[in-house]
Amino acid sequence: DAGVIQSPRHEVTEMGQEVTLRCKPISGHNSLFWYRQTMMRGLELLIYFNNNVPIDDSGMPEDRFSAKMPNASFSTLKIQPSEPRDSAVYFCASSPRDGYSNQPQHFGDGTRLSIL
Amino acid sequence: GENVEQHPSTLSVQEGDSAVIKCTYSDSASNYFPWYKQELGKRPQLIIDIRSNVGEKKDQRIAVTLNKTAKHFSLHITETQPEDSAVYFCAASTLRAAGNKLTFGGGTRVLVKP
Repeated sequence: DAGVIQSPRHEVTEMGQEVTLRCKPISGHNSLFWYRQTMMRGLELLIYFNNNVPIDDSGMPEDRFSAKMPNASFSTLKIQPSEPRDSAVYFCASSPRDGYSNQPQHFGDGTRLSIL
Repeated sequence: GENVEQHPSTLSVQEGDSAVIKCTYSDSASNYFPWYKQELGKRPQLIIDIRSNVGEKKDQRIAVTLNKTAKHFSLHITETQPEDSAVYFCAASTLRAAGNKLTFGGGTRVLVKP
């Protein structure tokens, strides 16, 4: 089991640039979650998908943020244009979902994003 | 929506002593309560979880208790060791048709002094 795979691990870019974060969930998991972690706001859920369909994007901070899941093994989180306040660690997590009980979420190693 | 509060925000204990972290939740329909440990610069990792049909669960030095009536749950670490130093997060979730998103507490930074 390779776990949840995120890329890149670190990203440093200038304000105004487009940033794309990538996530490969654990094979067989059909729920995928994007989180943002900062010292000030803690661990925030941005958006989550079930079976590739966005279910709840109420945590997405602004229209500058968008997320897609074109297939069961890949998701992206895009920020365009990026701003310094977007600097944070972004985590992707996945879990199985059987419809009968909650299942643990497994986190990737995260992407540390710095916007200069 | 669900609101999870976690206390204390920091906890310093002597090696060998016990550590207790407490969380309260607001949604009485919540039925799944995981705990995550996050070491510095690492990802959150699930260490134990409990479902609403169980009052207590134990795994070696770690135990979690749940009081559904009072809507609070706690993490107990016994015989603490330096490697237990980390940030611990509690979370709550409700099984819904649309999916089971977690609401996290604010975290507790635990420092175990040798």
